[in-house]
Amino acid sequence: NAGVMQNPRHLVRRRGQEARLRCSPMKGHSHVYWYRQLPEEGLKFMVYLQKENIIDESGMPKERFSAEFPKEGPSILRIQQVVRGDSAAYFCASSPLQGADGYTFGSGTRLTVV
Amino acid sequence: GDSVTQMEGPVTLSEEAFLTINCTYTATGYPSLFWYVQYPGEGLQLLLKATKADDKGSNKGFEATYRKETTSFHLEKGSVQVSDSAVYFCALSDRGGTASKLTFGTGTRLQVTL
Repeated sequence: NAGVMQNPRHLVRRRGQEARLRCSPMKGHSHVYWYRQLPEEGLKFMVYLQKENIIDESGMPKERFSAEFPKEGPSILRIQQVVRGDSAAYFCASSPLQGADGYTFGSGTRLTVV
Repeated sequence: GDSVTQMEGPVTLSEEAFLTINCTYTATGYPSLFWYVQYPGEGLQLLLKATKADDKGSNKGFEATYRKETTSFHLEKGSVQVSDSAVYFCALSDRGGTASKLTFGTGTRLQVTL
């Protein structure tokens, strides 16, 4: 049973480009969460999604960031017109039910904006 | 809002030494408390958790007790090994395990030497 799969593991983008980060939850998990980890900081909640629904996006920046979790396929975190400050590790977690008790984290995508 | 404060690292110990990593929290209501571990280049793994006051979480020789009176959840291990070298994050979820959002501390890096 594969864990939470994130790809790519490393992503380099030039300022102004778009970054697309993918997260495939564990089999049977229908709840997906995205977190961002800035250098030397803890993880910060960004968004919580269920299939085809955004449940809580209180941690998402108001501009340039969007997330989706379609009926088929992985969850996507999309960052438009990236800036240097977007450089961070982005972690996805999934759970079978609502609640933090059942989280399983992926290995993350490390985004570097040059 | 909710917050988690951890002791700053890095913490450097010799193998077989006793470990304490302090964690205190601020939350409304009765949160669940967690310790996660992050090995280099990997995602976060749940180490242990406690869901109510006076609960003790334990795993792999690590322990932490949920202290409501001092709003603390300190991580301890009696004898550390080199393989315990990692970054340790204290976290809480609001409204117990039914909530979905984790609030993390900034992490404490542990380095264990021979």
